[in-house]
Amino acid sequence: AQSVTQPDIHITVSEGASLELRCNYSYGATPYLFWYVQSPGQGLQLLLKYFSGDTLVQGIKGFEAEFKRSQSSFNLRKPSVHWSDAAEYFCAVFVSGNEKLTFGTGTRLTIIP
Amino acid sequence: EAGVTQSPTHLIKTRGQQATLRCSPISGHTSVYWYQQALGLGLQFLLWYDEGEERNRGNFPPRFSGRQFPNYSSELNVNALELEDSALYLCASSLGGIRYEQYFGPGTRLTVT
Repeated sequence: AQSVTQPDIHITVSEGASLELRCNYSYGATPYLFWYVQSPGQGLQLLLKYFSGDTLVQGIKGFEAEFKRSQSSFNLRKPSVHWSDAAEYFCAVFVSGNEKLTFGTGTRLTIIP
Repeated sequence: EAGVTQSPTHLIKTRGQQATLRCSPISGHTSVYWYQQALGLGLQFLLWYDEGEERNRGNFPPRFSGRQFPNYSSELNVNALELEDSALYLCASSLGGIRYEQYFGPGTRLTVT
């Protein structure tokens, strides 16, 4: 079955440390890939997206993600996290013909001083 | 530019009742999407409306329905409410189709008692 997996339910990182959030998908075709962030009490905001071309994608707030076809992964990274990055992060996938965004279950990020 | 707005912010209903949730998209956006975010289940795609027509629906029973008005605003109706319908319902809008970025509203928190 087609699915999006975020293996880490909760991650705790020290402020200033690097971050990597994992996302794996299982689709036959190359999907369109997205990362969204949800701050407490707010809706989702798009961080970045991959449709085609360069597999390293730059987003807002200093985030980047790399599409690795061989690993069916689209991991989100940030070299140095800030306390304001504490939020829930969702990976999402769109496959042409399916006509809907499928979200992973999310990873909650906690930042400690 | 005003973002996606949703009303009400909170809604408390009793099992068996009906709930109506409303969404106003960003000006110029013709597509509206509805998602359910239930605790522990991530975001589940509910419905997609574009140009007044239902384009796709997720794996939800028929008691979840909605419509899109000529001004592109939308409402989601949930009939015969069940306890498990308690969730945050998010609305998103885009220029016209899945390939465009979806902008999310803050959501309506529905509680069924």
